[in-house]
Amino acid sequence: DAGITQSPRYKITETGRQVTLMCHQTWSHSYMFWYRQDLGHGLRLIYYSAAADITDKGEVPDGYVVSRSKTENFPLTLESATRSQTSVYFCASSDGGQGSHEQYFGPGTRLTVT
Amino acid sequence: AQRVTQPEKLLSVFKGAPVELKCNYSYSGSPELFWYVQYSRQRLQLLLRHISRESIKGFTADLNKGETSFHLKKPFAQEEDSAMYYCALSVLGGTSYGKLTFGQGTILTVHP
Repeated sequence: DAGITQSPRYKITETGRQVTLMCHQTWSHSYMFWYRQDLGHGLRLIYYSAAADITDKGEVPDGYVVSRSKTENFPLTLESATRSQTSVYFCASSDGGQGSHEQYFGPGTRLTVT
Repeated sequence: AQRVTQPEKLLSVFKGAPVELKCNYSYSGSPELFWYVQYSRQRLQLLLRHISRESIKGFTADLNKGETSFHLKKPFAQEEDSAMYYCALSVLGGTSYGKLTFGQGTILTVHP
């Protein structure tokens, strides 16, 4: 499972600060995804990327920014953190090839905004 | 747009009892269905997918297109099955290509 990693694993930040969550995968997967996990909401897609330099919004993109200059990295930035962004964030990747869209998940980042 | 519904947020059974986690979906085309499992404070991992039709850890799931369901079943639950279970759907074309739509999840607790 070392193929997809996230950092930091835990982060506490203050309201209004900018924070970046990192995601790195070693499989050269084309697709990468960011989800947030909240009780009662399950997993909700924030942003996804089909390839380097191609990103698109998911279900809950407001307040987040992504970039993908390299295939293996997909950082997620909270431009001005709010308490409502306290959550567990999961990054995932998929090769998006024919036959299956199985996604492989990172270990998650637990973010607390105070 | 596609949707996945898991009607039970919490499900409790005793060890050795059968367990069924329900999943219903809405999608007009041919979806790919998955079950993911998340053990306490761990990453999500794939439990099974309907395409492979295999049994993992004693769990099975059959895609019922008529009822648009993909229920997860195990005849004899074990304590180590206690976890959060997510049903997910992927579409194989269009603008949603490659994305998974998740249900809200079901927390399964297996009591000794």
